[in-house]
Amino acid sequence: DTAVSQTPKYLVTQMGNDKSIKCEQNLGHDTMYWYKQDSKKFLKIMFSYNNKELIINETVPNRFSPKSPDKAHLNLHINSLELGDSAVYFCASSLTGQFYEQYFGPGTRLTVT
Amino acid sequence: GNSVTQMEGPVTLSEEAFLTINCTYTATGYPSLFWYVQYPGEGLQLLLKATKADDKGSNKGFEATYRKETTSFHLEKGSVQVSDSAVYFCALSDQHGQNFVFGPGTRLSVLP
Repeated sequence: DTAVSQTPKYLVTQMGNDKSIKCEQNLGHDTMYWYKQDSKKFLKIMFSYNNKELIINETVPNRFSPKSPDKAHLNLHINSLELGDSAVYFCASSLTGQFYEQYFGPGTRLTVT
Repeated sequence: GNSVTQMEGPVTLSEEAFLTINCTYTATGYPSLFWYVQYPGEGLQLLLKATKADDKGSNKGFEATYRKETTSFHLEKGSVQVSDSAVYFCALSDQHGQNFVFGPGTRLSVLP
């Protein structure tokens, strides 16, 4: 059974386009996250949602907009894509609290040409 | 703010060598500490964790001990295998569970 799933796995698009990445978790977790991983493997948190409410919103261009229709889903919409947006985007989920680890999806590799 | 520092990689070892990847952290109070592993082309997976001082996390032959006095959580394995080649991330969750911080990652390559 897939725990945290993301679609699509690969996304190739041109500059200026708008695209979305979807994430779903079936673990019953109440917190979900989006991370961006660059080519050097550095992970940067972008957003965190708890029970559908935005908790963390790091310094991210407002072209990036997360949407959480329910506790099991957190989608990421990106407007006016730029070359610098090329990266791997990971969705993750966890229970709320310091003792709980995060579970990661397989990632979406976004390439902007 | 909270932060995690890891030794810079890449680390290259021969099969059956001893592995240590250093991790130190800065945080107020008593955070929980984690090691994650990322195999090529995959997402991160939890390797082990420790939630209080002097706890030892272990899994798949890897171990790490939560040292409050040195604010460290070093990862060790007695005999690495080629299949251990991956990127390893140290991470912490603060005492309120509101702030999850990852280190920069250490790439490990194990040669046969």
